Amino acid sequence: QVTLKESGPGILQPSQTLSLTCSFSGFSLSTYGMCVGWIRQSSGKGLEWLANIWWNDDKYYNPSLKNRLTISKDTSNNQAFLKITNMDTADTATYYCARSTLGSDYFDYWGQGVMVTVSS
Amino acid sequence: DTVLTQSPALAVSPGERVSISCRASEGVNSYMHWYQQKPGQQPKLLIYKASNLASGVPARFSGSGSGTDFTLTIDPVEADDTATYFCQQSWNDWTFGGGTKLELK
Repeated sequence: QVTLKESGPGILQPSQTLSLTCSFSGFSLSTYGMCVGWIRQSSGKGLEWLANIWWNDDKYYNPSLKNRLTISKDTSNNQAFLKITNMDTADTATYYCARSTLGSDYFDYWGQGVMVTVSS
Repeated sequence: DTVLTQSPALAVSPGERVSISCRASEGVNSYMHWYQQKPGQQPKLLIYKASNLASGVPARFSGSGSGTDFTLTIDPVEADDTATYFCQQSWNDWTFGGGTKLELK
């Protein structure tokens, strides 16, 4: 059974760096073809793909946010991470992590999401 | 960026057939996927690679299209289908459409 769960600070101030953790079970990011991605959704708005990290440590970023994003993983603890620098009120959103697999290129399992508010 | 355009909202009566469209700004082959999101929940995969039904999804849902024009069809629509539907492409980076909110009359 595949599950994912996001965790984060809840609230932070403008210009700070956001650190998010995705803890998952039911698969391993050291297994060939596995991928974890991050997606966010502002209140009442659409979904925005942020980044993917693959089993072989390949990383892909949304070009419009690339200079602010860093994705990483800890395979021994079944976790993936996302850092976003220089947070702004416009980054207030629910952040999801989700699983994908090589050759599928879609997200088949999603976490419940974690709300992040940027406010002074 | 490959931009995906969806109609913002649709309203249909239970038992009817509804088609939700997604148009890509450039060709995405068949790498188009559809998700359903109900209020307060995470998205759920419905259709992958344009026309393949995800595991556990009712056969009332179907997908079609290739290149730049894709359609998610629900037939017949049930009350539980009230949700927002998103398309996502994975041919040129990964992007999502703005979503179509389906309401039942």
